Amino acid sequence: GAVVSQHPSRVICKSGTSVKIECRSLDFQATTMFWYRQFPKKSLMLMATSNEGSKATYEQGVEKDKFLINHASLTLSTLTVTSAHPEDSSFYICSARAGNVLETQYFGPGTRLLVL
Amino acid sequence: GQNIDQPTEMTATEGAIVQINCTYQTSGFNGLFWYQQHAGEAPTFLSYNVLDGLEEKGRFSSFLSRSKGYSYLLLKELQMKDSASYLCAVMDSNYQLIWGAGTKLIIKP
Repeated sequence: GAVVSQHPSRVICKSGTSVKIECRSLDFQATTMFWYRQFPKKSLMLMATSNEGSKATYEQGVEKDKFLINHASLTLSTLTVTSAHPEDSSFYICSARAGNVLETQYFGPGTRLLVL
Repeated sequence: GQNIDQPTEMTATEGAIVQINCTYQTSGFNGLFWYQQHAGEAPTFLSYNVLDGLEEKGRFSSFLSRSKGYSYLLLKELQMKDSASYLCAVMDSNYQLIWGAGTKLIIKP
């Protein structure tokens, strides 16, 4: 299957700092990438959808100025958590889809963020 | 509203068979996905059903009945490594994935 990488896998930062998470599709071109957030024992919560070269579409309740998403190329999307606070601590997962909307989403390994 | 229901937790014995059910009510339907997620890891794709019937893939099978808004994931010859959460997700008319909360499967020796 297709491979999606995510970096870093784990990050601890101080409150008020910004954290950037990278998501890369390694063996296919991802026309669409998705960013999810998951709290312990809860399901995935879609934060935003991004298509290469265009602005991300954010889900209701997700602050676009706080969670900056850039999908600069067909293999790379980044999520920057700006001015992180302890409540932003979570498991952030990206997924990528190659072609049309019926294609399978392949997930990255996730990034565990802890804000102190 | 859109809704995906699946049991919160199930327990089964190594070597046995387990069926994880998923019922859904969504605005439109463009397929149903099952993903496996081990603790602390990202989900991995298991199966995709868009037509009624059973899809078999090794020890795992997935069934869909669109008229009943119902799917199940069947796991045979359970192994300890199958202990994980199993997520049911439906693609709605806007091609958005609607996720269930997941079923935690505990395998006992």
